[in-house]
Amino acid sequence: GENVEQHPSTLSVQEGDSAVIKCTYSDSASNYFPWYKQELGKGPQLIIDIRSNVGEKKDQRIAVTLNKTAKHFSLHITETQPEDSAVYFCAASMGGGSYIPTFGRGTSLIVHP
Amino acid sequence: DADVTQTPRNRITKTGKRIMLECSQTKGHDRMYWYRQDPGLGLRLIYYSFDVKDINKGEISDGYSVSRQAQAKFSLSLESAIPNQTALYFCATSDPRPQSSYNEQFFGPGTRLTVL
Repeated sequence: GENVEQHPSTLSVQEGDSAVIKCTYSDSASNYFPWYKQELGKGPQLIIDIRSNVGEKKDQRIAVTLNKTAKHFSLHITETQPEDSAVYFCAASMGGGSYIPTFGRGTSLIVHP
Repeated sequence: DADVTQTPRNRITKTGKRIMLECSQTKGHDRMYWYRQDPGLGLRLIYYSFDVKDINKGEISDGYSVSRQAQAKFSLSLESAIPNQTALYFCATSDPRPQSSYNEQFFGPGTRLTVL
């Protein structure tokens, strides 16, 4: 089955800096890569996703890049703010009827004011 | 997401007790999931259900059972709780229809379970 590795497990940055979280996956058939943000005391919430026919996707201060050849994808957060502090999870799956994502172990992002 | 609710939000129990965690959703989604979250281990799938008559084991189903009482309700049971089942449990839903964001999962707020 699919295996997703996520790094780093903890990331500490100063407000205004950029943050990058990286994930690798093992199953070349995976074609859907979502990122979830989990704030303290809440369930994870989708913040951005990318499909295998796209190399990069942006939404304001966040972006995701995908390298299918190398089987890795990354989340980039620019101009970090304290409210970006959370646990971030990457995931990989095949889309469509048999969609069951495999999650990475999570990255705890701490943004210091 | 307020559309997915979990009860209880916190529970402390003793080894050997039977525990039921409940999940309800008003999103009208057919697919429901139970995950367990442990520090440093991410989200691990316990069981999932693609419709009322469909139940499937996930990667860590041992020691757990589920019941899909209706499209909107999916319960997780620990028949005889043990301390290593202490964790944060999440219910999630998804909608496989192409016209929706069919790959997105919507998570409940979680149930923190402690087994003493």
